[in-house]
Amino acid sequence: GAVVSQHPSRVICKSGTSVKIECRSLDFQATTMFWYRQFPKQSLMLMATSNEGSKATYEQGVEKDKFLINHASLTLSTLTVTSAHPEDSSFYICSAETSGGLRDTQYFGPGTRLTVL
Amino acid sequence: TQLLEQSPQFLSIQEGENLTVYCNSSSVFSSLQWYRQEPGEGPVLLVTVVTGGEVKKLKRLTFQFGDARKDSSLHITAAQPGDTGLYLCAGASNSGYALNFGKGTSLLVTP
Repeated sequence: GAVVSQHPSRVICKSGTSVKIECRSLDFQATTMFWYRQFPKQSLMLMATSNEGSKATYEQGVEKDKFLINHASLTLSTLTVTSAHPEDSSFYICSAETSGGLRDTQYFGPGTRLTVL
Repeated sequence: TQLLEQSPQFLSIQEGENLTVYCNSSSVFSSLQWYRQEPGEGPVLLVTVVTGGEVKKLKRLTFQFGDARKDSSLHITAAQPGDTGLYLCAGASNSGYALNFGKGTSLLVTP
């Protein structure tokens, strides 16, 4: 149980284009989903917290107009990187928190490797 | 932001050796999680500790939560090459759901 999927797993795009990443909780409902980015050999950096049906809360320094987050249902959140540039190349990981069971436990997706040329 | 300091940052050992990874903070956490991450994959939850002084065992892995709920340790007995990976501790505060991650400990176990 508590499986989170991400799509796509890898994406290569040209500078200036937009990329959408999907995060799905497959066997549970997630009222809250989180988006992280991770640079090589570094830890996870929280970008934003997404609650179903409401606007995402962004961490300081994260541009909300560049990283658009939509949490339309209890099982799906999307992150759109708009007008991507090479410095946006990173490993993007989502996580979902179960609405029941043990609180504060997040289950992570497998990540999406974004490369902007 | 409540900072979590992990040590050591890097660890390279031979198969069969024991090791301990530490996760320390000056802040109190309502719970603390340990994750293992392999290259190109998302973190996988190993354990969640909630009660001060709690000890949990997962095969050769032993997790301990400090009495004051400010620190935790992960001890691996007789490490195997399959234990290689990035170990991350993450704490949840009483005030919200966002996890605070440590910088991670990169473990390499060689045959």
